[in-house]
Amino acid sequence: DTAVSQTPKYLVTQMGNDKSIKCEQNLGHDTMYWYKQDSKKFLKIMFSYNNKELIINETVPNRFSPKSPDKAHLNLHINSLELGDSAVYFCASSQGRVGNYGYTFGSGTRLTVV
Amino acid sequence: DAKTTQPPSMDCAEGRAANLPCNHSTISGNEYVYWYRQIHSQGPQYIIHGLKNNETNEMASLIITEDRKSSTLILPHATLRDTAVYYCIAHQGGKLIFGQGTELSVKP
Repeated sequence: DTAVSQTPKYLVTQMGNDKSIKCEQNLGHDTMYWYKQDSKKFLKIMFSYNNKELIINETVPNRFSPKSPDKAHLNLHINSLELGDSAVYFCASSQGRVGNYGYTFGSGTRLTVV
Repeated sequence: DAKTTQPPSMDCAEGRAANLPCNHSTISGNEYVYWYRQIHSQGPQYIIHGLKNNETNEMASLIITEDRKSSTLILPHATLRDTAVYYCIAHQGGKLIFGQGTELSVKP
């Protein structure tokens, strides 16, 4: 199926650990994003890549590092996890920065730091 | 910051039309109005977007006022599965910024 897929769906880990979340899209889009949804349900953009080039980098701690090996993949690596990193992380993609058919979101990765 | 304001919550009876308002009085001329929704525990889903003209697709209709200061998303026959948070977003590229949205509850 054409989609934006994220792995893992759930991630429970201890404080101080390093973890990665992977995202892949097979829609042929050239732009990908990471969003964070906290416990208050606010959806906030973190990063965006266009054809493997970083174009949006919001005020995110340096512990978060995105990597885009090709335009179909955008991974998120988090170092030294903290309790406040607990959230749902959504990957999204679009064709172009506006996306004539909007952004397509993945189903999210629920990260719990204990 | 989001450039749109929406009521925090609305109810709608199943089978009736759901009309969700959005104010965007500071929208600029080249910004589109996008609507997304997020059903509990799922990723946001694109619904529809428009610039000046009214738009309709298989999910909904979008009515934009002539002065472009407000718009209304219409779900013509709401079902229980339309219960979700609906986001109205002014967007022209770059960041898609989500506000608090309207929590729509469709009731039997």
